[in-house]
Amino acid sequence: EVQLVESGGGLVQPGRSLRLSCAASGFTFDDYAMHWVRQIPGKGLEWVSGISWNGGITAYADTVKGRFTISRDNAKNSLSLQMDSLRADDMALYFCAKDVQQELEEYAFDIWGQGTMVTVSS
Amino acid sequence: QSALTQPASVSGSPGQSITISCTGSSTNIGAYNYVSWYQQHPGKAPKLLIYDVSLRPSGVSNRFSGSKSGNTASLHISGLQAEDEADYYCSSYTIGTTPSVFGPGTKVTVL
Repeated sequence: EVQLVESGGGLVQPGRSLRLSCAASGFTFDDYAMHWVRQIPGKGLEWVSGISWNGGITAYADTVKGRFTISRDNAKNSLSLQMDSLRADDMALYFCAKDVQQELEEYAFDIWGQGTMVTVSS
Repeated sequence: QSALTQPASVSGSPGQSITISCTGSSTNIGAYNYVSWYQQHPGKAPKLLIYDVSLRPSGVSNRFSGSKSGNTASLHISGLQAEDEADYYCSSYTIGTTPSVFGPGTKVTVL
């Protein structure tokens, strides 16, 4: 079964850091680009970051650039998002999503995890 | 404020057809054929319905179809069913510093 399972969410104070992880199974992980997409409960979707199949190319939304770092470990079928200098407006449900192709071109997300909630509050 | 515009809500009766529009600009929808559509039911993860304007992933009903004209993309749903009641989001590759943007979403109600 094709599956993405996120972990690492939780309550964190403003200005602190958090690292999200996504475990992939059921497909050839290193054949595809991967992404993080977030959603404030009850609100719309926001693309956060993407990484190409081999990690050679990364991209970020302006809202997180310089604070978040995406990475992947193809040997472990794992995707990560290091989130530093967290702010109240980073509070959201974070989804891991698989792209339909290897490179960061189409930005089409055909497999999604169930999400992990990040709460930023003092 | 999203770079893409969608109607807040669209409704239809069972069996009818509806269309959801997604209007952007020459820097996103008009620039490339990289428009996707997603369906999201409450409490669930989004589901890809259409990508590259009009391609349908395996397993997605052929009642869903996509098109584009200029800076506007559209999702067509035919033979509306109760299970189609959900939120629908468009997404497009974008020229600029943030390469992917979503529309604000459209709530589809089946009357």
